[in-house]
Amino acid sequence: AQRVTQPEKLLSVFKGAPVELKCNYSYSGSPELFWYVQYSRQRLQLLLRHISRESIKGFTADLNKGETSFHLKKPFAQEEDSAMYYCALIKAAGNKLTFGGGTRVLVKP
Amino acid sequence: DAMVIQNPRYQVTQFGKPVTLSCSQTLNHNVMYWYQQKSSQAPKLLFHYYDKDFNNEADTPDNFQSRRPNTSFCFLDIRSPGLGDAAMYLCATQGIAGVTGELFFGEGSRLTVL
Repeated sequence: AQRVTQPEKLLSVFKGAPVELKCNYSYSGSPELFWYVQYSRQRLQLLLRHISRESIKGFTADLNKGETSFHLKKPFAQEEDSAMYYCALIKAAGNKLTFGGGTRVLVKP
Repeated sequence: DAMVIQNPRYQVTQFGKPVTLSCSQTLNHNVMYWYQQKSSQAPKLLFHYYDKDFNNEADTPDNFQSRRPNTSFCFLDIRSPGLGDAAMYLCATQGIAGVTGELFFGEGSRLTVL
């Protein structure tokens, strides 16, 4: 069975500092990896997906199949980045999305 | 415009009194999911529909049931809510066309059990 691990429950950084959220997964096949974000009082929404290789709101994430990791990074954190971040894995469309435990990011002024 | 709409946003029920939560979507997506999210925890999948095919997670209690009368609507029925069922319930949809597995979430229904 697939599993997603986010080792940090809370990350607190100052505005302008780099932030990295760790995510490791276990799955024998080739899954699709995502980062979802939940801002205060808002719905859970997609931040980015590994197949797009894009930067969203300054965030990037690289899939490292050798290390089975999909860490999320931003070089200069902003206060509006404060939110709950979930790493997630899906085997294929129509299958369930498995979430990691989540990391709360707090960006201090 | 909201594409996945959940009602009610807040539901208060008494211990053992059945409750139904609804989800509607305007995306015409094939797949609809119900997740349970307790405070400070990750969403946990209860079950999902792939068109009319129902897929129950092995550890979902029998107390939880679901109905999908058509593509647009999906319901979560909690037959006899216990105190441990107090949570946010999230509905999500997914289209199977294309390469993405992105899920679109509703704002959730928060259930309180007294």
